[in-house]
Amino acid sequence: QKEVEQDPGPLSVPEGAIVSLNCTYSNSAFQYFMWYRQYSRKGPELLMYTYSSGNKEDGRFTAQVDKSSKYISLFIRDSQPSDSATYLCAMSIYNFNKFYFGSGTKLNVKP
Amino acid sequence: DAGITQSPRHKVTETGTPVTLRCHQTENHRYMYWYRQDPGHGLRLIHYSYGVKDTDKGEVSDGYSVSRSKTEDFLLTLESATSSQTSVYFCAIRGALAGGSTDTQYFGPGTRLTVL
Repeated sequence: QKEVEQDPGPLSVPEGAIVSLNCTYSNSAFQYFMWYRQYSRKGPELLMYTYSSGNKEDGRFTAQVDKSSKYISLFIRDSQPSDSATYLCAMSIYNFNKFYFGSGTKLNVKP
Repeated sequence: DAGITQSPRHKVTETGTPVTLRCHQTENHRYMYWYRQDPGHGLRLIHYSYGVKDTDKGEVSDGYSVSRSKTEDFLLTLESATSSQTSVYFCAIRGALAGGSTDTQYFGPGTRLTVL
């Protein structure tokens, strides 16, 4: 079993829709949770970062962590065609050298 | 911009030849990483470094070696390239988020390697 599971999609939504992207994990020691956005033929770029449980909002993006369920989510409000990309979740343990990635969900926002 | 460059950006080589990929950073970060990314597998860690001459293996290190003789450069070598090593290779650094002490990773633009 992978430590981080992520539905690969693809997920196709109309412009303006609310998008929900999710990851589950098995290691209860994970404390830091990240979302990366990766455009085609580009490197991943950090989108959101949260520590422990709770919500964090940044513009149209909300990251949510539920440690009791080992489940994290990224919500995108008012989705735009420019949001079309692959979204990767990642997590790590405090003061640990490695980061663990989901396989990525490909999102397509149709105009 | 985390100041990470990779070279070459694209390379086509033949089975059995040695290949070296270079990652260069401009911000003196201690930790550097090499990943490969393949469809259906996401990012998989090959090797990482926690200082000059200090390296450790990741989950897919077989067939790869690394070296770090300077803080700013982290080299990935395929001693004898195989077709299974056709992939996109990303370098990353572990750096602090702006305004805080918490670390996360920042990625380079990637190297697309094809082994024929």
